[in-house]
Amino acid sequence: DARVTQTPRHKVTEMGQEVTMRCQPILGHNTVFWYRQTMMQGLELLAYFRNRAPLDDSGMPKDRFSAEMPDATLATLKIQPSEPRDSAVYFCASGSSSYEQYFGPGTRLTVT
Amino acid sequence: AQKVTQAQTEISVVEKEDVTLDCVYETRDTTYYLFWYKQPPSGELVFLIRRNSFDEQNEISGRYSWNFQKSTSSFNFTITASQVVDSAVYFCALSGSSGFGNEKLTFGTGTRLTIIP
Repeated sequence: DARVTQTPRHKVTEMGQEVTMRCQPILGHNTVFWYRQTMMQGLELLAYFRNRAPLDDSGMPKDRFSAEMPDATLATLKIQPSEPRDSAVYFCASGSSSYEQYFGPGTRLTVT
Repeated sequence: AQKVTQAQTEISVVEKEDVTLDCVYETRDTTYYLFWYKQPPSGELVFLIRRNSFDEQNEISGRYSWNFQKSTSSFNFTITASQVVDSAVYFCALSGSSGFGNEKLTFGTGTRLTIIP
C-alpha cells in the first residue's frame, strides 16, 4: 500500500531555530505539494513541484521559507528562522496524471 | 479565483441517521476537479473521491454517495446509516486542470461531523 511519508511527525523548537521537514512522495508520482493547516487559515498551499521543477511558491513567506526537491524521492521544506506564527501542521501530498492527491500524515510544528 | 464554501461548520447526528454535507464551489475554469477528504481525530487527510467537471453522474461507494450538480455548482456528500467511525472533519476541495496532471487544491473550511452513539 503506497503512502506518502513525512518526517518528523512532531517538532518542537525555539523561535529563531531552523526547521527542516522531509517528504517522500509515492513512487511514480510526479507532482509534490506542501500545504499548511492552521485553525485560523485552514488548509492552504505553500508550494508545489512537478517533475521536481517548482511551479508555484506564492503561498510561502519568501524571506524565511524554502522548498526544494533534491531528487524524485525527496522533497524538503525549510523554515529559517522559525517564528511562533509558523506553528501549524505541514502536509506533503503527491499526485500523478490521474488528478488524485494523496497526503502524508503531516508534521506538527510548534515554535515557542 | 477559485473558492469552495462549506457553510455547515458543525453537524451532529445520532448513529444510523443519514447526513448530507454541503459543498458549493466557484471557478472560471471549464475543466476542473472536485474532491472530498476526511480528516479523523488522528489528523491525517484521507482521500475519498475525485470527480471531474465533465462527469455529472452521481457516485455511490458503500454508505457514501456524492451528488454533483453543475447547474448549482454543488458537490454534496451523503453518508447513509452513519456510524461513530464517520466522526471526522470533512473537506471539500477544488482544482483546475492544466492538462499536465495534478494542480493545487483549494479547500473549503471543513465540516466537523459528530456521530452520537
